[in-house]
Amino acid sequence: DGGITQSPKYLFRKEGQNVTLSCEQNLNHDAMYWYRQDPGQGLRLIYYSQIVNDFQKGDIAEGYSVSREKKESFPLTVTSAQKNPTAFYLCASSPTGGNTEAFFGQGTRLTVV
Amino acid sequence: AQTVTQSQPEMSVQEAETVTLSCTYDTSESDYYLFWYKQPPSRQMILVIRQEAYKQQNATENRFSVNFQKAAKSFSLKISDSQLGDAAMYFCAYSPDYGGSQGNLIFGKGTKLSVKP
Repeated sequence: DGGITQSPKYLFRKEGQNVTLSCEQNLNHDAMYWYRQDPGQGLRLIYYSQIVNDFQKGDIAEGYSVSREKKESFPLTVTSAQKNPTAFYLCASSPTGGNTEAFFGQGTRLTVV
Repeated sequence: AQTVTQSQPEMSVQEAETVTLSCTYDTSESDYYLFWYKQPPSRQMILVIRQEAYKQQNATENRFSVNFQKAAKSFSLKISDSQLGDAAMYFCAYSPDYGGSQGNLIFGKGTKLSVKP
């Protein structure tokens, strides 16, 4: 089945460590996105990529990094520079052109211990 | 900068009744998309309904319909014949029209909908 797969579902990190969240899609979508969700908040855009080997910062990019080496994959690294990394992270993808909405993965819950 | 405001943190509705969730937004653009997403306890984001700003006709999807008032920058969601499975967080979202890509979304803070049996 086509869709977006995020892994792992739950992730624990010690303070000071970098951690990478995986996002893979087999929908043949050009664009991919990372969002962060905190309690009582809507989703906020971290990074997005419209095409392979290119990406742009969203509203809260500080402390995060991404890469887009393949169309199917858009991993997010949460670095030690991120002051408050505990949150729920959602990945999404969408076509560019055409009239189709974004599709979301099932999310990764990151907890700093 | 564009913003999305949901003024109702929580709402409650009796099963089989109708409820309306409010959303206002701010933008200087003329072309954009508006969405309502549902997030159940599984936390999977599910698209409920979408509205293109250039369309005057309000979007409808089965029991879900919107009241889109472009001049007032208002985009409310009406759920008719509410069901227990409708209980969830509902997010209003805005997307600028960047060449058809609709994933660059600005979200409101959400409305938690409870459905009473």
